[in-house]
Amino acid sequence: QQPVQSPQAVILREGEDAVINCSSSKALYSVHWYRQKHGEAPVFLMILLKGGEQKGHEKISASFNEKKQQSSLYLTASQLSYSGTYFCGTRVLIKAAGNKLTFGGGTRVLVKP
Amino acid sequence: DGGITQSPKYLFRKEGQNVTLSCEQNLNHDAMYWYRQDPGQGLRLIYYSQIVNDFQKGDIAEGYSVSREKKESFPLTVTSAQKNPTAFYLCASRFRLSNTGELFFGEGSRLTVL
Repeated sequence: QQPVQSPQAVILREGEDAVINCSSSKALYSVHWYRQKHGEAPVFLMILLKGGEQKGHEKISASFNEKKQQSSLYLTASQLSYSGTYFCGTRVLIKAAGNKLTFGGGTRVLVKP
Repeated sequence: DGGITQSPKYLFRKEGQNVTLSCEQNLNHDAMYWYRQDPGQGLRLIYYSQIVNDFQKGDIAEGYSVSREKKESFPLTVTSAQKNPTAFYLCASRFRLSNTGELFFGEGSRLTVL
């Protein structure tokens, strides 16, 4: 049911790049990306609705491969503020599912100076 | 200011007791959600509601109950049937019919069973 995220954790030096992947076994209607800082609520980054669509938020961008039922989040030229846990949330293409939004297990990102 | 308010922020409960977590939003959102987060884990969906007086089970609904009598409110009751209730609980809401509607989260309630 839950999408699968990989890797589970990544450590970066400031300025380095990283990719976080999110895979689903079901056909997807949309993919949401959120970031959670320690002890805080998750914060919205972006939503992807179409296959192949890419969106960006500062130097964080994402793609959505509809055929593979996958999304990837790209952290480019990472900054210290990028540290946190990243979650992908998915809505499946089943009418009965309605607004059900299911999250993956998260990817912990640590950016070091 | 609009937002989601969860209370209490911290709660301690003895085994065998029911406890109710409050979630109130003034964003005029239709859909509301309850997620459970365990240390180092992802967000698991407990219940969600798309409109007033209607709600659906999520992936881990056993031992929990909800009500949606008002649009603004979606309280979660953790019953004594929930075998491992110690966790961080997050409430969220969004516009039901918006394709790009982001999910807004509350600050969370941390429940500890003694």
